[in-house]
Amino acid sequence: QKEVEQDPGPLSVPEGAIVSLNCTYSNSAFQYFMWYRQYSRKGPELLMYTYSSGNKEDGRFTAQVDKSSKYISLFIRDSQPSDSATYLCAMYRIQGAQKLVFGQGTRLTINP
Amino acid sequence: KAGVTQTPRYLIKTRGQQVTLSCSPISGHRSVSWYQQTPGQGLQFLFEYFSETQRNKGNFPGRFSGRQFSNSRSEMNVSTLELGDSALYLCASSVGGVGGYTFGSGTRLTVV
Repeated sequence: QKEVEQDPGPLSVPEGAIVSLNCTYSNSAFQYFMWYRQYSRKGPELLMYTYSSGNKEDGRFTAQVDKSSKYISLFIRDSQPSDSATYLCAMYRIQGAQKLVFGQGTRLTINP
Repeated sequence: KAGVTQTPRYLIKTRGQQVTLSCSPISGHRSVSWYQQTPGQGLQFLFEYFSETQRNKGNFPGRFSGRQFSNSRSEMNVSTLELGDSALYLCASSVGGVGGYTFGSGTRLTVV
């Protein structure tokens, strides 16, 4: 079983919809939670970074962390075709050989 | 501010050959990590270097190796290439502590 589970999709929604992307994890040692966005033929770019349980908002993006359930989410409001990309959750732990662990990534398409 | 630079962008090699990939981190970033990305396995951690020392290593065979120079630039080498080594190889740099990693655009390696 992978330490970080993410549904690879693909996910296709109409423009303007609210998108919900999710990841679960099994290791309580993860303390920092991130979302990356990756466009085709590009490297991942950091979207959101959070430490504590709760919500963090940045424009149209909201990251939610529930440490008790080991569950994190990314919400995209008023989705745009330019949001079409692969979204990867990532989790960081202080101890361990591999500190930054990624989910599989969810491929998202926003249809005009 | 220059980002993470990876060279070359694309490579085609034959089975049995070896290859060297290069990564120049963001100025001031002392930590460089390497990842292999494939459609089936997602992002898999190869190794991390900090101040010229390998700090962590993932579960890859000894054919995969790396090093970091005094200017923080890093190289990874794959010897005796196999078809399964075809992947996008990503380099990420960070200041070295907890925090987001900045990725390069990757090197697309195809082994034929």
